Amino acid sequence: KAGVTQTPRYLIKTRGQQVTLSCSPISGHRSVSWYQQTPGQGLQFLFEYFSETQRNKGNFPGRFSGRQFSNSRSEMNVSTLELGDSALYLCASSLNSGMNTEAFFGQGTRLTVV
Amino acid sequence: QQQVKQSPQSLIVQKGGISIINCAYENTAFDYFPWYQQFPGKGPALLIAIRPDVSEKKEGRFTISFNKSAKQFSLHIMDSQPGDSATYFCAAKRSNYQLIWGAGTKLIIKP
Repeated sequence: KAGVTQTPRYLIKTRGQQVTLSCSPISGHRSVSWYQQTPGQGLQFLFEYFSETQRNKGNFPGRFSGRQFSNSRSEMNVSTLELGDSALYLCASSLNSGMNTEAFFGQGTRLTVV
Repeated sequence: QQQVKQSPQSLIVQKGGISIINCAYENTAFDYFPWYQQFPGKGPALLIAIRPDVSEKKEGRFTISFNKSAKQFSLHIMDSQPGDSATYFCAAKRSNYQLIWGAGTKLIIKP
């Protein structure tokens, strides 16, 4: 079956703009998590959605928001972009949120803010 | 309490040698400890995972050793190959909460 699909793969935006990233989870997976990865850093958790509800949230400012649709697809939005938002944004899907099931990652969206 | 500390930051191992990466945690409520492997330009992929009721799990050349009393777990890669060169992340989780990640270890296997 198809893996986790993230679009677009690459994005260049100007400081102050806003951006929306998309993630299509594996069919049947209801949990989607978003992470920010910067060079030399680990994965910083942004938020997790399960059945259209935000289950967990990381320590990011309110400029970072997300949502999940009834088909489990998820979008992440960053408003008023800053240079420091340049990063690889990764989406992971898993079967459910409660139990410790494997998280499958997409290839990420590389965002560059200039 | 939510941190997972991973070491070393980088590691160079000769082909055929054993690569060892260590992680330590504080939260005793964690009940799932996966290791992920990430190649450049790719998202992380699950390599192997362990639950705290088991002290060791082996899959091929990859072994997780788990020490519950010391709150430590480690990844051992036996007979390391150049294709194992990647960044490795340990993580920890409890049900209904997100994965907590280590900072990553960049592993280079020298031919």
